[in-house]
Amino acid sequence: GQQLNQSPQSMFIQEGEDVSMNCTSSSIFNTWLWYKQDPGEGPVLLIALYKAGELTSNGRLTAQFGITRKDSFLNISASIPSDVGIYFCAGPRFAGGTSYGKLTFGQGTILTVHP
Amino acid sequence: GAGVSQSPRYKVAKRGQDVALRCDPISGHVSLFWYQQALGQGPEFLTYFQNEAQLDKSGLPSDRFFAERPEGSVSTLKIQRTQQEDSAVYLCASSGQLNTEAFFGQGTRLTVV
Repeated sequence: GQQLNQSPQSMFIQEGEDVSMNCTSSSIFNTWLWYKQDPGEGPVLLIALYKAGELTSNGRLTAQFGITRKDSFLNISASIPSDVGIYFCAGPRFAGGTSYGKLTFGQGTILTVHP
Repeated sequence: GAGVSQSPRYKVAKRGQDVALRCDPISGHVSLFWYQQALGQGPEFLTYFQNEAQLDKSGLPSDRFFAERPEGSVSTLKIQRTQQEDSAVYLCASSGQLNTEAFFGQGTRLTVV
């Protein structure tokens, strides 16, 4: 499988601040997915990206599929306390794959929002 | 229920004990996936079913791990002779088709003592 590297590992921010996190790979991906996991829950899909250069928004979330197809970033604007959780990037488990279920995940970015 | 349901939510097993973890996918979903999530890590793929056929088991860490889905609905992940390194959250996910979004259950937290 492919390896994904996420940074930063953790973030501590004040409510209202914007957040940016990214994910890189040594291999090319055809699809990038961003998930959020709350404590004691399974990951929930936030945004899916399908082609290089694509910029997609979902409310206060914006994600981009890097031109090189080896990276992606996720921005959260005007953070609120319920944004707390672990954010994972993910992509198909093998190069050229398109499955949304057979995935490789990054290590996660832990987000803490102080009121 | 409307979502993926896993049971039990928590399981404590003594080292060497066999365990069975259950997954009830979303009704009608043909694809089912099992993942293992160690503490502080992202989920790691274990195995994939399409209906009752196990099409990919390349992520199973050893022959102590076995998964089945005999009727193409409920799935069971069995771990024989559990070891401490098996302690993790085991997540199940299902999707309508392979190339559509997979929905995750809440997971089973297994602790081997």
